[in-house]
Order: sequence, then structure tokens, then C-alpha cells
Amino acid sequence: GAGVSQTPSNKVTEKGKYVELRCDPISGHTALYWYRQSLGQGPEFLIYFQGTGAADDSGLPNDRFFAVRPEGSVSTLKIQRTERGDSAVYLCASSWPGGPNTGELFFGEGSRLTVL
Amino acid sequence: GQNIDQPTEMTATEGAIVQINCTYQTSGFNGLFWYQQHAGEAPTFLSYNVLDGLEEKGRFSSFLSRSKGYSYLLLKELQMKDSASYLCAVIGTYKYIFGTGTRLKVLA
Repeated sequence: GAGVSQTPSNKVTEKGKYVELRCDPISGHTALYWYRQSLGQGPEFLIYFQGTGAADDSGLPNDRFFAVRPEGSVSTLKIQRTERGDSAVYLCASSWPGGPNTGELFFGEGSRLTVL
Repeated sequence: GQNIDQPTEMTATEGAIVQINCTYQTSGFNGLFWYQQHAGEAPTFLSYNVLDGLEEKGRFSSFLSRSKGYSYLLLKELQMKDSASYLCAVIGTYKYIFGTGTRLKVLA
């Protein structure tokens, strides 16, 4: 596709369950970011990939959160033992080779996670 | 530490001009971005400043003063469709840090 694609767009789960959120970036974009956005707040940085490796995962809140990008394209954000506080919109963004200093971030529509 | 401040909410009238300010304190600086985000949608790019001065793009302009850690976004000839949140974001080496956003309401 032409833009960043995220699935699912909406996910409702029960406390304690495992969740996977998928991001398919724009073809050719080597930099990929995950952000989390709560209502009325700006996006909060979670993790940054350059190619296949996680260059910075300092924003992951705790060890229940993990993300992979095995082939340098699609990325999956994995959340174990979900808690109600994990409820938010999870945004994925990608940018041109060389990283964001060359230009803008392209965001997906987000995955809205609701933990009951 | 890293801190980006912008007003929470602003209201303006259709056809008017509005200025949204952003101040920042970050450990590194490689540019400042403004994004627009309509409710329930993804942020979309508006502008990028890396050098001091004004960047103009149609009805939107963005200003940067690196020595003051200050930027503003100027929106002219406001339209109802400009009602949205405006996010200020600073980039260090590779990481974008976003402010909480300014919710702009445009009234008829």
C-alpha cells in the first residue's frame, strides 16, 4: 500500500491476555517507530528500529512490552498480561532511509487497544 | 531532562490568525516539527524547522529560535477544518519527543 498500515484498527481484550499489534511501513522506509497515545496527550515514544534492530527501546514501559522487526519491514508490538492501563492508541510511524533527520514521520492510523 | 510545553487549548474565529507557541528543553536538537491531528486520526506533517527563522507554506508558517528554545506555528485565514490538535515535536539524534498538543477550536 501507499501508506503505513496498522492492524487491527481496534482491539478489545480482557485483563491478563496477550495482544499483538502489527505495523506494515511504507516500502523502503528503514526507520520504524512505535508510539502510544492516550486521550488528550501527545504520542509517547516506545521503541525505534533502524532496519531489523531495535536501536532504542528505552520507551517500553516494562518487560511486558516487546517489539520485533525480523526482516526489516513489518513490525509487531507484543504486550503480555495486559492491564487496564495499557488501554491507548498505539501508533506506528516510518521514515526515509537515514532516519527522521531527512524529513517527516509517516504515521499509520493506529491500533486502539481497550483492556477491560 | 526533556520537556516540551504548549498551551492545552485555544479558540479562534473563522478567518482570523492564530499563533500556537511551543517551548522546549531537550538534550539534543536536530530540528522541530509541527504535526496536525484531527480527532481519531493519525498525525500528519505540517512543517519542519532546523535553522532559526520563519518557514512559510501557504496559510501555515512556523518559526524557530534555537537560542530561546522556542517555536510557534502561525495559521492564517482560519477555516473550520483547521479545528484539530497541533503537536510540537523535537528530534534529537533520531528520537522524536512530542508535546501534549494544543487543541484548536475554530468558531464560525
